[in-house]
Amino acid sequence: KQEVTQIPAALSVPEGENLVLNCSFTDSAIYNLQWFRQDPGKGLTSLLLIQSSQREQTSGRLNASLDKSSGRSTLYIAASQPGDSATYLCAVFYGDMRFGAGTRLTVKP
Amino acid sequence: GAVVSQHPSWVICKSGTSVKIECRSLDFQATTMFWYRQFPKQSLMLMATSNEGSKATYEQGVEKDKFLINHASLTLSTLTVTSAHPEDSSFYICSARDAQGDEKLFFGSGTQLSVL
Repeated sequence: KQEVTQIPAALSVPEGENLVLNCSFTDSAIYNLQWFRQDPGKGLTSLLLIQSSQREQTSGRLNASLDKSSGRSTLYIAASQPGDSATYLCAVFYGDMRFGAGTRLTVKP
Repeated sequence: GAVVSQHPSWVICKSGTSVKIECRSLDFQATTMFWYRQFPKQSLMLMATSNEGSKATYEQGVEKDKFLINHASLTLSTLTVTSAHPEDSSFYICSARDAQGDEKLFFGSGTQLSVL
């Protein structure tokens, strides 16, 4: 069974902190893995896409890593800002998408 | 970046009526579109995979006769919730894959359905 798990479910940090969100998946036969941001009442925004052959991707203050052998991915956010407050979803593509339950991030000013 | 337009964004209807939700890829062709449903405080759940010109593939537990999916062109997929009931109230969101892209998914803004 292809399951995606995200830890922690919720996270609250003061502004400026660096933080790591975790995603684990049970089936390592993935095509790719994406991290999304979901704002209340809005759709999803794709942040980073990592192909199965890649180890990491970077965009601005965001860095995502992928370790297929251990079934893990991390999303690193540097110098967090209040505008980063949102739910972050990890999704693994096996031919269709399997989503984690998300991590609700709150960055306090 | 690529844009996926989803309409309506919000709908309230009476129990027993049917509701159609449209998902359009505005600046790219999407051979495959996906439909998801999200209940409050739960994760997105894949409902079905929609392929242009063929029948949709439904996930286990999703009633294909209740959730009708039509992917008639490379830029449009529709989800019709037939004879909606209050338990169908949910957030529905679509995504599309660029047929000539890197398999990245682009999402619509979602539809909040409330059935009275």
